[in-house]
Amino acid sequence: SQQGEEDPQALSIQEGENATMNCSYKTSINNLQWYRQNSGRGLVHLILIRSNEREKHSGRLRVTLDTSKKSSSLLITASRAADTASYFCATDAGGTSYGKLTFGQGTILTVHP
Amino acid sequence: SAVISQKPSRDICQRGTSLTIQCQVDSQVTMMFWYRQQPGQSLTLIATANQGSEATYESGFVIDKFPISRPNLTFSTLTVSNMSPEDSSIYLCSVEVWESAYNEQFFGPGTRLTVL
Repeated sequence: SQQGEEDPQALSIQEGENATMNCSYKTSINNLQWYRQNSGRGLVHLILIRSNEREKHSGRLRVTLDTSKKSSSLLITASRAADTASYFCATDAGGTSYGKLTFGQGTILTVHP
Repeated sequence: SAVISQKPSRDICQRGTSLTIQCQVDSQVTMMFWYRQQPGQSLTLIATANQGSEATYESGFVIDKFPISRPNLTFSTLTVSNMSPEDSSIYLCSVEVWESAYNEQFFGPGTRLTVL
């Protein structure tokens, strides 16, 4: 069953603005990964954050993780039209479920030029 | 990272037929996974395919419907058997790669299947 919930389901912004997407999950995790999907194609791996980390940066991306609240956020700064895509969080619970990702429902981001 | 290719990229099939999807990786990997993404939905794990052992299926997925082969460390196939329109989905394979002590998972481009 899907344990990830993302909000908002859809986000529409202007180029240059920041976009923030949130992800909540229900069970303890080993790590959480964020992906981007363009127009129903394959997933592009954006960033992985481990359960003992609180924040990670990669270029214009900033990911935070709050294990006490079982939530994560993805911030895209200075957005571009090319950032238009669906964004998914996925959790790896580790243990016997090691490597098996549980995906959130995704956020559809539209960046208007 | 890993470069993953899938064949076919898309197909339109008739009800009752079967389709085999191929997944090729550019490096040897231990764990490969198959996911399904139904229209407008998120991804759901079908099974884990490890070389040298039977695939492990998630709840709601069975081997008779989705037989999987894993003949070596760079290749796997997923067959969608006796298809119905409900099987229309994007099917994606993924592999786990250790990068600087991080086990990141990378996905292929997907196979878009339409069943008429």
